[in-house]
Amino acid sequence: EDKVVQSPLSLVVHEGDTVTLNCSYEVTNFRSLLWYKQEKKAPTFLFMLTSSGIEKKSGRLSSILDKKELFSILNITATQTGDSAVYLCAVHTGTASKLTFGTGTRLQVTL
Amino acid sequence: GAGVSQSPRYKVAKRGQDVALRCDPISGHVSLFWYQQALGQGPEFLTYFQNEAQLDKSGLPSDRFFAERPEGSVSTLKIQRTQQEDSAVYLCASSLDGREQYFGPGTRLTVT
Repeated sequence: EDKVVQSPLSLVVHEGDTVTLNCSYEVTNFRSLLWYKQEKKAPTFLFMLTSSGIEKKSGRLSSILDKKELFSILNITATQTGDSAVYLCAVHTGTASKLTFGTGTRLQVTL
Repeated sequence: GAGVSQSPRYKVAKRGQDVALRCDPISGHVSLFWYQQALGQGPEFLTYFQNEAQLDKSGLPSDRFFAERPEGSVSTLKIQRTQQEDSAVYLCASSLDGREQYFGPGTRLTVT
């Protein structure tokens, strides 16, 4: 059975801190790994990673994939209260394109 | 360009009632997915369409769940004889190439 595990489950930081969110996976027929941010509504797409060692960056957010060790990290620098959300990691597997999600990391950024 | 839309946003059903949830994907997106998200959990795959063809329904939890996409655009997820364990947020996602999936706001179903 495909498995995606995220850690920590929840995190509280002060504004300005840097955080690292972890995602490990055990799946068959890996195709790509995706990160989403979920506030109260739809998960919004952040990154898709397919190759090891190539960092994807968007503003204060960055992510990297290690296909040998089967994990990815999502970094957020200089956190802001607007970064408070659940961050979901998902792995794209098989031929039917379905995503297998982790439980998410709930990030709370306080003033 | 509009994103994925879903309706209704909230639905309360009495146990045993049938419900129908609608998804309007992004125009031109070939692939459409339904996921179920229980409170505090990540979304779980239910079913996948490519155009009007349902290519994978392995995630549907029982034969009370049925999905269709007759014209390859709008999709409907139907749940018959709802049970309390069906209470969840139902998310629809669409994709142009089956890789990057864009999600709608979800329908929160509460079965009482």
